[in-house]
Amino acid sequence: EPEVTQTPSHQVTQMGQEVILRCVPISNHLYFYWYRQILGQKVEFLVSFYNNEISEKSEIFDDQFSVERPDGSNFTLKIRSTKLEDSAMYFCASSERQGSQPQHFGDGTRLSIL
Amino acid sequence: DQQVKQNSPSLSVQEGRISILNCDYTNSMFDYFLWYKKYPAEGPTFLISISSIKDKNEDGRFTVFLNKSAKHLSLHIVPSQPGDSAVYFCAARRAYGGATNKLIFGTGTLLAVQP
Repeated sequence: EPEVTQTPSHQVTQMGQEVILRCVPISNHLYFYWYRQILGQKVEFLVSFYNNEISEKSEIFDDQFSVERPDGSNFTLKIRSTKLEDSAMYFCASSERQGSQPQHFGDGTRLSIL
Repeated sequence: DQQVKQNSPSLSVQEGRISILNCDYTNSMFDYFLWYKKYPAEGPTFLISISSIKDKNEDGRFTVFLNKSAKHLSLHIVPSQPGDSAVYFCAARRAYGGATNKLIFGTGTLLAVQP
């Protein structure tokens, strides 16, 4: 069964450094998403991406965050200058289309900011 | 953000019996609801969904019931198996008429199925 893959599984970074989280969505999917889950809290939406542009973003997704689809298969989340509170599990998801379509999630990247 | 609530943090059930997981929502604009299962160190795995035009959707051992007037949905697992032991998340979004891509998640319920 096709799946969303994320790399790395764990990323440790010094505060203030840039970090890039990578995702390969399911190949025939057109909509891509990033969510995060801070330890002990709910899974929270960050951003959705369609047709090479952001279609929706949450208030969490400020100027420190950016997303990109650099080629036909990868989807990346960049955090420009990491803060301690960026420590979380980051999940990438994709869906075939909008409407009543489920989003399928990867196994996440655990980001630890020191 | 308390729009989707799962009031039971945990549930323990005997193998072979029914597991019932509950979820309440407050936003009447939600019209598409999903259940995800999550094992430790893995991402949420989609289980089953229901749109607001239905009140029941069934897929094998999993059935989701939607009560729009009560703003309540439930997931029934029959029969429960030890491999069903995981955290179950309810999620909701507005999929029609002013659709948003944003899934709003509940806090999850840890299901333990005892052999």
